[in-house]
Amino acid sequence: ETGVTQTPRHLVMGMTNKKSLKCEQHLGHNAMYWYKQSAKKPLELMFVYSLEERVENNSVPSRFSPECPNSSHLFLHLHTLQPEDSALYLCASSLGLVNTGELFFGEGSRLTVL
Amino acid sequence: AQSVAQPEDQVNVAEGNPLTVKCTYSVSGNPYLFWYVQYPNRGLQFLLKYITGDNLVKGSYGFEAEFNKSQTSFHLKKPSALVSDSALYFCAVRAPFTGGGNKLTFGTGTQLKVEL
Repeated sequence: ETGVTQTPRHLVMGMTNKKSLKCEQHLGHNAMYWYKQSAKKPLELMFVYSLEERVENNSVPSRFSPECPNSSHLFLHLHTLQPEDSALYLCASSLGLVNTGELFFGEGSRLTVL
Repeated sequence: AQSVAQPEDQVNVAEGNPLTVKCTYSVSGNPYLFWYVQYPNRGLQFLLKYITGDNLVKGSYGFEAEFNKSQTSFHLKKPSALVSDSALYFCAVRAPFTGGGNKLTFGTGTQLKVEL
């Protein structure tokens, strides 16, 4: 069982829908991340949160809106998405921000935008 | 800016043979280097890392990687491949003491296929 849980695992939505992805970590970590994984491309870091505070936003379109209500939960709110936003969205956590430790990933939410 | 190159989209190897998955990097300062593996329909799992010390690092499932500073490489190796090693492998790098988050830069991934 992974220490990072993502729901839903699969999501299909139209361009006018509003949906949310949820991530929960059970590891006692203080930092959480959203990554976008598209085929044949490097993982793209979207957002970084440390102790519920956003510390990085990598020029992500405003149709993606993150929320971190506490250090264990991270959401990605989606609205008016485009077909090119179809991808695997991965949540990850780490013990802290600046450390030599690894990231712990969830299994991802596969998003398809019609 | 830091970057990672994985020059091979796919590596094919017969079970029992040694395998190598290549990775080169570019970063300011001494790098922190990582390998992750992704099995189908799963998230990424940490395999091993190089921070400092011995250039040969050992990780999970019998994998190891060799840090070569002069060639800026961090190739992943395993002496004897298993069919169950078939997966997507990602190399990642980060510069030390970067602010703004644990910012790993990932490569595009290499699909490893081990056949009987």
